[in-house]
Amino acid sequence: DQQVKQNSPSLSVQEGRISILNCDYTNSMFDYFLWYKKYPAEGPTFLISISSIKDKNEDGRFTVFLNKSAKHLSLHIVPSQPGDSAVYFCAASARGNEKLTFGTGTRLTIIP
Amino acid sequence: EPEVTQTPSHQVTQMGQEVILRCVPISNHLYFYWYRQILGQKVEFLVSFYNNEISEKSEIFDDQFSVERPDGSNFTLKIRSTKLEDSAMYFCASRGPETTPGEQFFGPGTRLTVL
Repeated sequence: DQQVKQNSPSLSVQEGRISILNCDYTNSMFDYFLWYKKYPAEGPTFLISISSIKDKNEDGRFTVFLNKSAKHLSLHIVPSQPGDSAVYFCAASARGNEKLTFGTGTRLTIIP
Repeated sequence: EPEVTQTPSHQVTQMGQEVILRCVPISNHLYFYWYRQILGQKVEFLVSFYNNEISEKSEIFDDQFSVERPDGSNFTLKIRSTKLEDSAMYFCASRGPETTPGEQFFGPGTRLTVL
């Protein structure tokens, strides 16, 4: 069941540069998309979300872009900081449905 | 800042034994969830719980699994007869009525090892 896919298991970015994490989905019923961040020995932490009626949502250094026709979303982090080093999970939910469907995650490493 | 807590942090058990994983959700939250993550795999939804009953469950959540909210603060996941393939990190999550759709607050997890 690969409804949400993150094709890059890892990504390394220089501090101060832009980090771009990508996610693809297949289920057209998804209407909310979220990014969660996970540090070792902790649970996932909500970072930012976007409704399917929007194509962009920004919160400080974090911006999520949604391309519905391509069933693709991305997370931009700019500028990247060492504390951003973590595993980032893309997740999606469908209207009226409480469960989150997660991708496999991308490990982001910010190089000082 | 309020947080979801889980106990124990690590549970080791023998195959066939019953385990109970415990969670204390954030106090004013009304929706509760269990997820699991097998090593190297994605986080998978198990069950959601609202108003003292299961609102949704996945195919993984078979008759060996049950959830309970025995009092006003705890939320438990019981695995009746553990199997080797139940070894995973189990995350509890909760959300309040006013949170962004999909925004769930996760605990740190319980690592279950079945021998």
